[in-house]
Amino acid sequence: QSALTQPASVSGSPGQSITISCTGTSSDVGGYDYVSWYQHHPGKAPKLMIYEVSNRPSGVSNRFSGSKSGNTASLTISGLQAEDEADYYCSSYISSSTLVFGGGTKLTVL
Amino acid sequence: EVQLVESGGGLVQPGGSLRLSCAASGFTFTSYCMSWVRLAPGKGLEWVSSITGGGSTFYADSVKGRFTISRDNSKNTLYLQLNSLRADDTALYYCAKATGHIDPFDYWGQGILVTVSS
Repeated sequence: QSALTQPASVSGSPGQSITISCTGTSSDVGGYDYVSWYQHHPGKAPKLMIYEVSNRPSGVSNRFSGSKSGNTASLTISGLQAEDEADYYCSSYISSSTLVFGGGTKLTVL
Repeated sequence: EVQLVESGGGLVQPGGSLRLSCAASGFTFTSYCMSWVRLAPGKGLEWVSSITGGGSTFYADSVKGRFTISRDNSKNTLYLQLNSLRADDTALYYCAKATGHIDPFDYWGQGILVTVSS
């Protein structure tokens, strides 16, 4: 159950687009279409932004999108806004009904 | 409105025990898998354990044999019994509701702090 690999930090200016990667193996990200992304503002509860690789829950802005290629999943945020500044975590289902998270990425809006 | 409210955290010595509770409301508790996820200081989210509506349980390797997840469907409450606690179990523990078999987590509690220190 090794953590998925995410960049420690990314940054972008308001209005720009950024992409956060989440790299695993064929046993997790590459093996299942059960990748989720969570936004976490410190001191608040995490919020589900993307599930099953590319699906957005009701109420989540369409500026957030997800994709996957091989063992790497990606979260793209377009039209960056100040309120997007937060920590972002990916997660993937792995075998035997267990789950693994990524190490988290701190997004800074410049 | 879905609400998840954790309780039972606190300061405990290494080797000690603690039981966390999560009171759920606003949805049909018995129909959903429930989980615990923790956030250690300076680290990322870590999945800890899940329990299906029917009572099947799953654990991360880091807590297997030390933690026990359970639920009381008559009280709409989720539990996590933490035994043989270690310093690296210090974390904010979140209760989370899943929409699928184990995940994704569409609702989270505010978290409860567990500190393991002498």
